Amino acid sequence: GIQVEQSPPDLILQEGANSTLRCNFSDSVNNLQWFHQNPWGQLINLFYIPSGTKQNGRLSATTVATERYSLLYISSSQTTDSGVYFCAVEAYRDDKIIFGKGTRLHILP
Amino acid sequence: GAVVSQHPSWVICKSGTSVKIECRSLDFQATTMFWYRQFPKQSLMLMATSNEGSKATYEQGVEKDKFLINHASLTLSTLTVTSAHPEDSSFYICSVGGGNQPQHFGDGTRLSIL
Repeated sequence: GIQVEQSPPDLILQEGANSTLRCNFSDSVNNLQWFHQNPWGQLINLFYIPSGTKQNGRLSATTVATERYSLLYISSSQTTDSGVYFCAVEAYRDDKIIFGKGTRLHILP
Repeated sequence: GAVVSQHPSWVICKSGTSVKIECRSLDFQATTMFWYRQFPKQSLMLMATSNEGSKATYEQGVEKDKFLINHASLTLSTLTVTSAHPEDSSFYICSVGGGNQPQHFGDGTRLSIL
């Protein structure tokens, strides 16, 4: 099945810093989503982005489907950005949504 | 997007008990729903695909007799953990969507088996 790799696995930043999270996938995808999992376990849908670029406030994402990767940018980090960021893909050949292992982000005040 | 309601949020029960978790799609008719399990500090792992009116499709390594899934209507899927043991303690979460639509997740159920 499709493989989804996220990097880095852990990231510690000072408040105000910018960060880039990466998601590589091994096969063509129907869709790709970025989620933020908060400390209570809730999955917050950040972007539905099978291709192209989207922006929402301090967050933006770019997916280059032909090169099989997606990037999530967080600018001017705040402590509330802390948590785990997951990339999830639906393979073109399959209906299943497969998650990467996540990037654990910790923003220091 | 779809609104997904999952209940209960927390369950604490004794070993040997069966626990039922409900996943409701409040504003979207879902022929397919997905069930995931997440252990502490790990990613979400797909357990099974729930199909309305037919049998669920289980992922490799997931015991279908242990995790009973029923999808009797277009708005409700249930996951029953039968004869639960401490190793079944985990975070269970359901989702609706897929295809050319984004996935929407319930808030999850934290299951603790004593």
